Amino acid sequence: QKEVEQDPGPLSVPEGAIVSLNCTYSNSAFQYFMWYRQYSRKGPELLMYTYSSGNKEDGRFTAQVDKSSKYISLFIRDSQPSDSATYLCAMTRGGATNKLIFGTGTLLAVQP
Amino acid sequence: ETGVTQTPRHLVMGMTNKKSLKCEQHLGHNAMYWYKQSAKKPLELMFVYNFKEQTENNSVPSRFSPECPNSSHLFLHLHTLQPEDSALYLCASRREGFGQPQHFGDGTRLSIL
Repeated sequence: QKEVEQDPGPLSVPEGAIVSLNCTYSNSAFQYFMWYRQYSRKGPELLMYTYSSGNKEDGRFTAQVDKSSKYISLFIRDSQPSDSATYLCAMTRGGATNKLIFGTGTLLAVQP
Repeated sequence: ETGVTQTPRHLVMGMTNKKSLKCEQHLGHNAMYWYKQSAKKPLELMFVYNFKEQTENNSVPSRFSPECPNSSHLFLHLHTLQPEDSALYLCASRREGFGQPQHFGDGTRLSIL
């Protein structure tokens, strides 16, 4: 079993839709959770960063962490064509090396 | 210049060549990382440096040799690579502290002929 599971998609939605991206994980020691956005031919860009369970909102983006279910989500409201990218979830226990474990990424296409 | 800068952006080399990838961060971070990204696979951690000291080598073949002369610069020296080493190589950095997020460069797209 992979430590982090993420549906690779592709996910295609119309402009203005609410998008829900999800990851599940198996290691209950993970405490820090991140979402990265990666455009084609670019590196991953940090989008959201949360610690432990709860919600965090930043503009059109909301990150949710449910540690009891080992489940994290990223919601995108009023999706735009510019949101078309691969979204990577990542998580870590922390520690000296802060080793991140990544999902495989979900490819999102927002159709105008 | 800000962020994490990687050069070259693209590299094509034969299996017998020797080349180096360079990473420079302008964020004042203390830890630097090399990752390999292949299609349909999660990012694979290769090496970690904290304050110039290597703290993790994730069972990487010896044909990949990292070097970290200071906290701002990181190199990956390549020699006698194999076709399966073709991938996007990403550098990342982070500040000291538990759970601090990593910030990535745009990577070097490596193709082995």
